[in-house]
Amino acid sequence: GENVEQHPSTLSVQEGDSAVIKCTYSDSASNYFPWYKQELGKRPQLIIDIRSNVGEKKDQRIAVTLNKTAKHFSLHITETQPEDSAVYFCAAKVEGGSQGNLIFGKGTKLSVKP
Amino acid sequence: DGGITQSPKYLFRKEGQNVTLSCEQNLNHDAMYWYRQDPGQGLRLIYYSQIVNDFQKGDIAEGYSVSREKKESFPLTVTSAQKNPTAFYLCASSIQAENYGYTFGSGTRLTVV
Repeated sequence: GENVEQHPSTLSVQEGDSAVIKCTYSDSASNYFPWYKQELGKRPQLIIDIRSNVGEKKDQRIAVTLNKTAKHFSLHITETQPEDSAVYFCAAKVEGGSQGNLIFGKGTKLSVKP
Repeated sequence: DGGITQSPKYLFRKEGQNVTLSCEQNLNHDAMYWYRQDPGQGLRLIYYSQIVNDFQKGDIAEGYSVSREKKESFPLTVTSAQKNPTAFYLCASSIQAENYGYTFGSGTRLTVV
């Protein structure tokens, strides 16, 4: 089945710097890749997603890139702010049966230091 | 609560006791999911249901049971067979279509006492 690897597990940056989180997936049939942000003690929330028919998507300070050939995708956060501190999860959609399920990476704890 | 409600927020279980976690959604989503979250382990799928009266085991279903008698509800029972149930449990739902993400509930933190 699908396997999603996420790196790094922890990331610390200074406010204003950029942060990059990378994920790889194993199933070439996967075609949907969302990113979730989970603040301490709260629910994961979808922040951006990308589909396999595009290579990059931006939303203000957040961007996601997808390399289908290499089977990896990345989250880029520019001009980081303390409120960006959270755990970020990538996921990939498994194609199979009547409906695939999201398979999640293990998460990256991002700390933005003022 | 974002259309999907989990209760209770905190739950304590004694050894050998079954407990049931509630998950209700008013988003008219067909699919519902239960995940377990442990530190450093990410989100692991316990059970999922794509339609009423049908559900499938996920990666870590042992010691858990579910039911899906109504579209809006997907309760999870943690049985005494689950030897290490202390964790944060998240319920999610999605529309029955490709390439859409999940909406998560606010979670239930279960602790064995």
